[in-house]
Amino acid sequence: GAVVSQHPSWVICKSGTSVKIECRSLDFQATTMFWYRQFPKQSLMLMATSNEGSKATYEQGVEKDKFLINHASLTLSTLTVTSAHPEDSSFYICSASLGQDGYTFGSGTRLTVV
Amino acid sequence: KQEVTQIPAALSVPEGENLVLNCSFTDSAIYNLQWFRQDPGKGLTSLLLIQSSQREQTSGRLNASLDKSSGRSTLYIAASQPGDSATYLCAVRDSNYQLIWGAGTKLIIKP
Repeated sequence: GAVVSQHPSWVICKSGTSVKIECRSLDFQATTMFWYRQFPKQSLMLMATSNEGSKATYEQGVEKDKFLINHASLTLSTLTVTSAHPEDSSFYICSASLGQDGYTFGSGTRLTVV
Repeated sequence: KQEVTQIPAALSVPEGENLVLNCSFTDSAIYNLQWFRQDPGKGLTSLLLIQSSQREQTSGRLNASLDKSSGRSTLYIAASQPGDSATYLCAVRDSNYQLIWGAGTKLIIKP
């Protein structure tokens, strides 16, 4: 089946640094990808929707300058958390649209900012 | 290795009926379990989150239960409506803090 590989699985970074999370579609072309985050003991929340070759659409309340999304190819989408702060510590997950076949999901990235 | 299974893969019921969706997992060592819905052309929406220490969660017409010992969760939908038509996913946060997803149940509510 269609697989999205998400890396890294977990990362610890210092406050003020930037962290990049990658999602790769391994055996299909992902025209549309979704990025979510989840704070501890809370539900998953959609951050943004990205379409290959165009700018991402961000949900209300999500800072586009802080969470940079690049979807330059049909097999790779990246989320960069810039100038990370402890409040950005969260679980981030990507999802790729399979069209009529639904969606497939990455395994998630646990980000801890210290 | 944690595996999550959802049965049935598809379900079609008349409007107004109560229904149950099932999710089973092989390893009871989980942090939490979540139910989501997917609407065509859109991302997923989180419905209910059950922590490992909890037995159930309710939101409106939805009730989700968790039985870790038997590796099962159910999502109960009361008085179903056509707007409930979607694909429902469950996902388990395993002991490695990874999200393990079920394949989903495609639900169709017939008016």
